[in-house]
Amino acid sequence: DVKVTQSSRYLVKRTGEKVFLECVQDMDHENMFWYRQDPGLGLRLIYFSYDVKMKEKGDIPEGYSVSREKKERFSLILESASTNQTSMYLCASTDYPNEQYFGPGTRLTVT
Amino acid sequence: AQTVTQSQPEMSVQEAETVTLSCTYDTSENNYYLFWYKQPPSRQMILVIRQEAYKQQNATENRFSVNFQKAAKSFSLKISDSQLGDTAMYFCAFMKHGGGNNDMRFGAGTRLTVKP
Repeated sequence: DVKVTQSSRYLVKRTGEKVFLECVQDMDHENMFWYRQDPGLGLRLIYFSYDVKMKEKGDIPEGYSVSREKKERFSLILESASTNQTSMYLCASTDYPNEQYFGPGTRLTVT
Repeated sequence: AQTVTQSQPEMSVQEAETVTLSCTYDTSENNYYLFWYKQPPSRQMILVIRQEAYKQQNATENRFSVNFQKAAKSFSLKISDSQLGDTAMYFCAFMKHGGGNNDMRFGAGTRLTVKP
């Protein structure tokens, strides 16, 4: 079974803090993704990576950055958290053209 | 750009009955993939069913089946003999062939409640 894990299920941070969200997959997938899930908006792609040290912007990259130093690990970084980044963050991985496998999500609250 | 529309934000169904969730999409592509994902409350999103656009036969997975109408760009999900465990958010997703996974697009979701 493919396993995608995320470092935290719930996180509360203050405005202006630097926030790290980590994602690890155990299936040697090439592609990894970070999505943001908001009610009524579905899933929106923030960034994705198709190889180590490679990344591409998704639809809503502003305010976020990513890091992929090892194939199995993909980190999402909020350089200076703001209240409008309060959301559910989902990580996923895949080998195209198969379906994406999702992590359990991190519910981030920025106060 | 491809868009995916789920016009039913919320639906409910009685246990053991059948329910159909709607999904339409907009694309100029001829080859693509369509997916239905399920996200149970506080649990991980998982794949329910997948359809390749070049296949005319509708995909089925046990109690789950799709009605894929390529010309109408419609991809509905039918759940037969609904069970309490089917209560979840359901997302329809589109991925174009050859585009890489960055081209997967999701609908806004339908919250399904199965009532006992």
